[in-house]
Amino acid sequence: GAGVSQSPRYKVAKRGQDVALRCDPISGHVSLFWYQQALGQGPEFLTYFQNEAQLDKSGLPSDRFFAERPEGSVSTLKIQRTQQEDSAVYLCASSRRGGSSYNEQFFGPGTRLTVL
Amino acid sequence: GIQVEQSPPDLILQEGANSTLRCNFSDSVNNLQWFHQNPWGQLINLFYIPSGTKQNGRLSATTVATERYSLLYISSSQTTDSGVYFCAALEYGNKLVFGAGTILRVKS
Repeated sequence: GAGVSQSPRYKVAKRGQDVALRCDPISGHVSLFWYQQALGQGPEFLTYFQNEAQLDKSGLPSDRFFAERPEGSVSTLKIQRTQQEDSAVYLCASSRRGGSSYNEQFFGPGTRLTVL
Repeated sequence: GIQVEQSPPDLILQEGANSTLRCNFSDSVNNLQWFHQNPWGQLINLFYIPSGTKQNGRLSATTVATERYSLLYISSSQTTDSGVYFCAALEYGNKLVFGAGTILRVKS
């Protein structure tokens, strides 16, 4: 695709509901990343995939957060039993290669999650 | 982990003015990116610049990795330059660590 796409763009959830956020990376990109951006702050790393393997999930704030990329392309970030502190913009990024050769990350438009 | 600091936190410019944004990082990095976050929240890639100098139109960037800083220059600013500018440095693996950003407002 032309760029990273994310859906939905906006999500309102009641406290305690489960939500699922989708990311479609740039076609052919090996690496996929999720970041969380609170209001007025810079994005913070959540988790990283190389193809279908989740290589780093050190940034996931609790066990209520779960991410998957089963076929090495589309990824889903799931948040169970949402809390108000989960309200943020969730950004997805992809990059062409993986492994030890770092390369430029490209970001999607984000999903703005509001938990009431 | 790496700490990334940006300055100034806020900047107001008159249209046509020039500006310099600074990014300091706490440890040696192999890679650094500059982004512009527009009012709709989209992060737009400006530069991928682990070292040296690059230019793209009215924007240019310089990274001096040995001294742990990077600079973003904006010349002849326009109202469309308004938004938040982030620098981000690579930590272990492929994780980007972002600074807190510089909020730029360009007045016509």
